[in-house]
Amino acid sequence: QEQLVESGGGVVQPGRSLRLSCAASGFPFSDYAMHWVRQAPGKGLEWVAVIAYDGSSKHYADSMKGRFTISRDNSKNTLYVQLNNLRAEDTAVYFCARAKSRLAEADIYFDFWGQGALVTVSS
Amino acid sequence: SYVLTQPPSVSVAPGKTARIPCGGDNLGSKSVHWYQQKPGQAPVVVMYYDSDRPSGVPERVSGSNSGNTATLIISRVEAGDEADYYCQVWDSNNDVNWVFGGGTRLTVL
Repeated sequence: QEQLVESGGGVVQPGRSLRLSCAASGFPFSDYAMHWVRQAPGKGLEWVAVIAYDGSSKHYADSMKGRFTISRDNSKNTLYVQLNNLRAEDTAVYFCARAKSRLAEADIYFDFWGQGALVTVSS
Repeated sequence: SYVLTQPPSVSVAPGKTARIPCGGDNLGSKSVHWYQQKPGQAPVVVMYYDSDRPSGVPERVSGSNSGNTATLIISRVEAGDEADYYCQVWDSNNDVNWVFGGGTRLTVL
């Protein structure tokens, strides 16, 4: 059974950092590009970042460039996102999502999603 | 950056047809994907590449894309269809970017 399970969410003060993890199982993780997508409370979906199947290519949404870093460890079947210098507006549920492609640069859809991890940025 | 526009809400009576539009500049030249999200749950793809239906999605759900508007069409609407629906495209004009519409809440009256 395919699974994506996010962890690492919580309450963090503005300016601090947090690392989210997404553990994959039930499918060949290293064959897929992976994304992070977030959703602020009561708001819509916002794409965050993508990483190619082998980690060779990464892209970020403009508002997150320089603060967020996506990475993966295929030996552990795990996707990560490092969230630095967090702001109140980064408060959201962060979903990891699988892409129907190996490549980071591809016209794809997200065919499988985790249940999300809530990050709350508050003093 | 590319913008997708959706109405905040669409209401329809059970058994009728719901049409959820998604607007964007020359959208017909792009591939549009649709997601359904119920409260407290992760999104689920219900239509991809404009009009392809994933396994498990009923045939009464269909999609179209032409000109500046893509439309998700749900026929014979049921109470279980009540959810938020998001359209999504890939934009590669300046840098790669996956763009979502603002979402439409489908209410079954």
